[in-house]
Amino acid sequence: DAGITQSPRHKVTETGTPVTLRCHQTENHRYMYWYRQDPGHGLRLIHYSYGVKDTDKGEVSDGYSVSRSKTEDFLLTLESATSSQTSVYFCAISETSGVEDTQYFGPGTRLTVL
Amino acid sequence: EDQVTQSPEALRLQEGESSSLNCSYTVSGLRGLFWYRQDPGKGPEFLFTLYSAGEEKEKERLKATLTKKESFLHITAPKPEDSATYLCAVRPSGGSYIPTFGRGTSLIVHP
Repeated sequence: DAGITQSPRHKVTETGTPVTLRCHQTENHRYMYWYRQDPGHGLRLIHYSYGVKDTDKGEVSDGYSVSRSKTEDFLLTLESATSSQTSVYFCAISETSGVEDTQYFGPGTRLTVL
Repeated sequence: EDQVTQSPEALRLQEGESSSLNCSYTVSGLRGLFWYRQDPGKGPEFLFTLYSAGEEKEKERLKATLTKKESFLHITAPKPEDSATYLCAVRPSGGSYIPTFGRGTSLIVHP
């Protein structure tokens, strides 16, 4: 199994509260990704990182920010959580973005915003 | 815009009853097509990558095939432990190379 951990694994919070999810990898892979998974939508990319301090937006980035100060850690922040951000969040890593590359996923964080 | 459509959305099989899952895609140049398995409450687990039409890959009871417009995941003589959601994703040849995922097929195999 790819060495990816996510914390917390479960979180319940209230609308308007800031929330930070953490993804930690032990593989020293360059690329890291945050996805959300919702019924009827599949996996949708929020943000991704292609190196320390290098990040870019995905298709559903509104309301989210990310930071990567170390190769092994990628943080996803909801500045002011809303009920529409209730979802399961997955972190993924890949060594490169090239043809041979494969994304490996973490165990997920279930977030509920009341 | 890249699109990935998986069918059927759900599939129920009896143990030993072989079948196929479909992943049709529209992408401006295919760099790779990926199949994942996802168990409830867990992250997707990588199964296969296919790169060109005609390519096939096998793992135990699973075989993935690829044409220019779709991929099939064939399940031969499935067992209850094959029950899971199977996800397909395509990586385009241009832009950011970020994969686009389908919504998945939920497979239940009854003993």
